Amino acid sequence: QKEVEQDPGPLSVPEGAIVSLNCTYSNSAFQYFMWYRQYSRKGPELLMYTYSSGNKEDGRFTAQVDKSSKYISLFIRDSQPSDSATYLCAMSTLIQGAQKLVFGQGTRLTINP
Amino acid sequence: DGGITQSPKYLFRKEGQNVTLSCEQNLNHDAMYWYRQDPGQGLRLIYYSQIVNDFQKGDIAEGYSVSREKKESFPLTVTSAQKNPTAFYLCASKFQAGGSYEQYFGPGTRLTVT
Repeated sequence: QKEVEQDPGPLSVPEGAIVSLNCTYSNSAFQYFMWYRQYSRKGPELLMYTYSSGNKEDGRFTAQVDKSSKYISLFIRDSQPSDSATYLCAMSTLIQGAQKLVFGQGTRLTINP
Repeated sequence: DGGITQSPKYLFRKEGQNVTLSCEQNLNHDAMYWYRQDPGQGLRLIYYSQIVNDFQKGDIAEGYSVSREKKESFPLTVTSAQKNPTAFYLCASKFQAGGSYEQYFGPGTRLTVT
């Protein structure tokens, strides 16, 4: 079993729809939870960064963490064609004082105009 | 402009040859990382370095080597011992190795070995 599981998709929705992306994890030592966006042939860029259970909102994006269920989500409201990308969840723990990120497989998202 | 640069963007090599991928950052970050990305597998950690002249193996270090002689540079060598070297390689850096600081990624190098 992988430490972090993410549905690879692909996911295709019409412009304006609400998108829900999810990851589950098995390691209760994970402390920080992140969502990265990666456009084709580019490096990932950080979208959201959360520490504890609960919600965090930034514009059209909302990140949700449920530590009791080991489940995290990213919601995108009023989705735009420019949101078309691969979305990677990542979780971190400390190994010998250094942060180690464990990534999900990534979900490829397409927003259709 | 501050950031991470990786060169070249595309790299082609024949099987059996070693190849070195460049990663430079001018963010004054202490920690640097190398990841490999394959389709459907997300990012996997190859090596990381917390400070100059020190580095540790990640989850898939076999067939790779690194050096950290300068704070701003963390080159990765893909050796002929790496069984499946064709992949997208990403370098990242972070202000400090521990703590809740963001990892910044470079644009990546796509390596094709035939």
